[in-house]
Amino acid sequence: AQSVTQLDSHVSVSEGTPVLLRCNYSSSYSPSLFWYVQHPNKGLQLLLKYTSAATLVKGINGFEAEFKKSETSFHLTKPSAHMSDAAEYFCVVSGPYSSASKIIFGSGTRLSIRP
Amino acid sequence: SQTIHQWPATLVQPVGSPLSLECTVEGTSNPNLYWYRQAAGRGLQLLFYSVGIGQISSEVPQNLSASRPQDRQFILSSKKLLLSDSGFYLCAWSVRGPFTDTQYFGPGTRLTVL
Repeated sequence: AQSVTQLDSHVSVSEGTPVLLRCNYSSSYSPSLFWYVQHPNKGLQLLLKYTSAATLVKGINGFEAEFKKSETSFHLTKPSAHMSDAAEYFCVVSGPYSSASKIIFGSGTRLSIRP
Repeated sequence: SQTIHQWPATLVQPVGSPLSLECTVEGTSNPNLYWYRQAAGRGLQLLFYSVGIGQISSEVPQNLSASRPQDRQFILSSKKLLLSDSGFYLCAWSVRGPFTDTQYFGPGTRLTVL
């Protein structure tokens, strides 16, 4: 079975401090992993994706994530939070390539930024 | 460049009324198309996906249906809405081929069933 767990439903950080959003996954396949961001009442936008190339993936807006197979994790980080980062973040696992049914979204982490 | 449109943006409907939500994609051909529902404070649930005209796969048994009458048009319908159908509906597309590819999402439709 395939699953994804976002370990924190809500994370609050001060502007200018690091951000860590945690994601663990379970997959019987070599997974593809994604992070998407959703601002209120908007669609989702891709931040970054891992597809079995480099384990450290750089995305847009200064975000990056590291694929750790031994820990089955794909945590999202950013060195310095900005007010505009306040949004909902979703970790997604998919695979195998032939099955849409195996696209699994995490329940989301709401990121709040304190001035 | 590719764009994806959804309408309406918001909708308030009484229980038992019909529903039609439309999604269109521009700037690409033969896309995979998807309908998701997002309940308040929850992740996304895949409802339907399509790999071509007239080809619809349903992921969750319910009173909703989907159709793809044209290559870049995807419609979500219901004959009789339930209260539990309330939510945020998102359409997405990906390049034809592996389902492990990036999905591109529309702006969503907020549906409230009263």
